[in-house]
Amino acid sequence: ILNVEQSPQSLHVQEGDSTNFTCSFPSSNFYALHWYRWETAKSPEALFVMTLNGDEKKKGRISATLNTKEGYSYLYIKGSQPEDSATYLCVPDSGGGADGLTFGKGTHLIIQP
Amino acid sequence: NAGVTQTPKFQVLKTGQSMTLQCAQDMNHNSMYWYRQDPGMGLRLIYYSASEGTTDKGEVPNGYNVSRLNKREFSLRLESAAPSQTSVYFCASSETGATGGYTFGSGTRLTVV
Repeated sequence: ILNVEQSPQSLHVQEGDSTNFTCSFPSSNFYALHWYRWETAKSPEALFVMTLNGDEKKKGRISATLNTKEGYSYLYIKGSQPEDSATYLCVPDSGGGADGLTFGKGTHLIIQP
Repeated sequence: NAGVTQTPKFQVLKTGQSMTLQCAQDMNHNSMYWYRQDPGMGLRLIYYSASEGTTDKGEVPNGYNVSRLNKREFSLRLESAAPSQTSVYFCASSETGATGGYTFGSGTRLTVV
């Protein structure tokens, strides 16, 4: 189990504004870092799986960066929309995920119209 | 493609009753998982199956049994339901190495009275 810290725990953002939040994880024993979006009353949806130091991935208005040497990742949302309201989970993976990932509480993002 | 299909979506049980939650995936994934979600907590791993023919305990296995019936199907059984097992249950699957992340089912909301 890899310990992870996400900050902030909760975030209110005005519609149209851009935002970002942080994930910190142990840099040792690193295999991959997963990002998930979890909307209320739905199931978690995989956004990115990142493995390489310096990697940057993008999906529409959402992007993520990875620094495995210092153990952090940032998730950015550009021009927030109400449909971005969700909990965003950062999940470290120490070995390919086959023995189950440990999910924390994530960052709860609320977009205000 | 349906992805991960869970049945039933809702269930109410009386204490002591038994039931089986069904999960099937059509993505040819090797690994499958059962999680539960409780208010104020992250997803907790109940059991997982890294590959067909194998199953292992996760963080909270007590009161549950699983069967990896074949590569597609992974069922979760409650032999004698207790109110503490009231929860939302999610099944997930992943390819070897989880490079695409986990794909989750839509969840089963179980209430034990």
